[in-house]
Formats: sequence, structure tokens, C-alpha cells
Amino acid sequence: EIVMTQSPATLSVSPGERATLSCRASQSVSSNLAWYQQKPGQAPRLLIYGASTRATGIPARFSGSGSGTEFTLTISSLQSEDFAVYYCQQYNNWPPTWTFGQGTKVEIK
Amino acid sequence: EVQLVESGGGLVQPGGSLRLSCAASGFTFSSYWMSWVRQAPGKGLEWVANIKQDGSEKYYVDSVKGRFTISRDNAKNSLYLQMNSLRAEDTAVYYCARESRALLWFGVATFFDPWGQGTLVTVSS
Repeated sequence: EIVMTQSPATLSVSPGERATLSCRASQSVSSNLAWYQQKPGQAPRLLIYGASTRATGIPARFSGSGSGTEFTLTISSLQSEDFAVYYCQQYNNWPPTWTFGQGTKVEIK
Repeated sequence: EVQLVESGGGLVQPGGSLRLSCAASGFTFSSYWMSWVRQAPGKGLEWVANIKQDGSEKYYVDSVKGRFTISRDNAKNSLYLQMNSLRAEDTAVYYCARESRALLWFGVATFFDPWGQGTLVTVSS
């Protein structure tokens, strides 16, 4: 089973600053990694898939990078609506199952 | 509009049963794998189960094997999760999600999009 580890658990950032979130896989997942944003009381929302492709309607300030076992989600200039919890996710081809990281909370500094 | 709407959550005693439903609209339901994902209060996301387009393959996280059953009715555009022998640790918001795929430079990217709004299951005496 592939284990996904996110760091840090909590990131304190001032509005307008850059935020860098990390996700590490216990073995290579190629570029098959997705990122989700979740705000309190809401369902998760897809931000990035294929490690670096933004989902429809996602602002350009969100970018993803990485491949293999090391991945990064960057928010270039934090807006008030970006304070949330972010999860990375990978998919096992066989058996076809899914694994999430434990999440990174981005909070206002 | 692509939409998933869950229902069926509620309060149930330990050892009890509950059946969750997810109504899909705005897309060809029968063309997609579907999943259930849960989130315990204050915790992260945990994938629970998924089902192939025609229902012929089903997979579960170890902690629910033998207790939960995922199913679907393509004629009704609906996904279900039958939960038996419920435990306190099953308390969570349960989301249904469409497994989406896109062909990219490295191969097929897989991700959940969209998600339903979730339904809360509370297991307590």
C-alpha cells in the first residue's frame, strides 16, 4: 500500500504571501497525483490532477509540480478564500483503490 | 450541471444498519466508476469503497470489508452504500464521488470530480 505524507500539518501564512505545501509518496506514483481544497462544512474541491494540470475554474495562482514520490502545491499569493485544508491523493491501479494524505491546514498568520 | 446528492445519513446505534444513497445527474452515470469517501469529525479523508460501471467489480478499505456493501442502479442513476454492524468509528460524513480520468502526457490521470455535499452518519448509543 502506498502511503501519502503531507507536510507541514499546519502552515501559517499572511494574505498575499506564497504558500508551499508538500506531499510525499512511499513509492513512485508517476505523475498521477491530485490535490483538493476543503473549507469547513464543505465537500472537497478538485484543484490539480496529473500533478500539474489545473481543474476547470481553478485560478492560476494555484500550481502543482513534481513526479515520482515528491510533489508540491504552490499558492502564489494567498487570498482570503484560500485559507482551507489541502489534501493530496493517489490512485492504485491494482487493486483500484485510493489513498489520501493526512492534509495540510493553511491558516492566517 | 453535473451533480451528486447523498441522502440516508442519521443516528444509529452500534451494531445497527444504515443505507446511504447518492443520486447522480448531469452526466452519463453508467460510464463511470463511483466511490464513497468518508471523513470522521475533525479528521482527514478516507476512501471507503468503489464500484465499476456495470457493478461487476467492487473494492473496499480493509476496515469495512464484510460489513459494508457498495452497489449501483444505472437505470436510476443511483449509487448506494449498505452499512451493517456499524461501529462508533464509522461515525463520519460520507461523500459520494465520481472517479474521473484524463489522458495526459504520462498516461491516465485519475481523480475525484465532482463530490456530493455529504451525509452525516453518527453511530452512538
